[in-house]
Amino acid sequence: QKEVEQDPGPLSVPEGAIVSLNCTYSNSAFQYFMWYRQYSRKGPELLMYTYSSGNKEDGRFTAQVDKSSKYISLFIRDSQPSDSATYLCAMGSDFGNEKLTFGTGTRLTIIP
Amino acid sequence: DVKVTQSSRYLVKRTGEKVFLECVQDMDHENMFWYRQDPGLGLRLIYFSYDVKMKEKGDIPEGYSVSREKKERFSLILESASTNQTSMYLCASSLYGQGAGGGYTFGSGTRLTVV
Repeated sequence: QKEVEQDPGPLSVPEGAIVSLNCTYSNSAFQYFMWYRQYSRKGPELLMYTYSSGNKEDGRFTAQVDKSSKYISLFIRDSQPSDSATYLCAMGSDFGNEKLTFGTGTRLTIIP
Repeated sequence: DVKVTQSSRYLVKRTGEKVFLECVQDMDHENMFWYRQDPGLGLRLIYFSYDVKMKEKGDIPEGYSVSREKKERFSLILESASTNQTSMYLCASSLYGQGAGGGYTFGSGTRLTVV
């Protein structure tokens, strides 16, 4: 079993819809949870960062972490065609452990 | 903004060639990483480095080596390129002690094709 599981999709939704992307994980030591967005033929860019459990909102994006269920989510409101990309979740444990563990990514297409 | 620059966007090499992929970051980050990204397999860590002249193996180091002679530069070397090393190669950097907490900054990637 992988440490981090992410549905690869592809996921297609109409413009304006709410998108929900999810990852599950097995390592209870993970404390830092991130979402990266990767456009085609580009490197991933950090989109959202959350420490421990709870919600974080940034514009149209909301990241949720439920450590009791080992489940994280990214919600995109009022989705736009420019949101079409691959979204990767990433997780890390304590400071001093410098490595992140990534999900395989979910490919999202927003249909105009 | 931190910039991580990879020297080539696209590269085509022949089987058996020695290949150098270069990565430079401009924000004095201690940590540097090399990943490869393949469909269905996600990001797989090849090597990483916490400091100059230091290196540690990642999950798939076989067939690769690295060099870090200067803090800002981290090179990935394919000793004898093979077709199964055709992939997208991504370099990343982060601050030591915040690597997991601060996230990584990635370069744009090098798409390597070995023929």
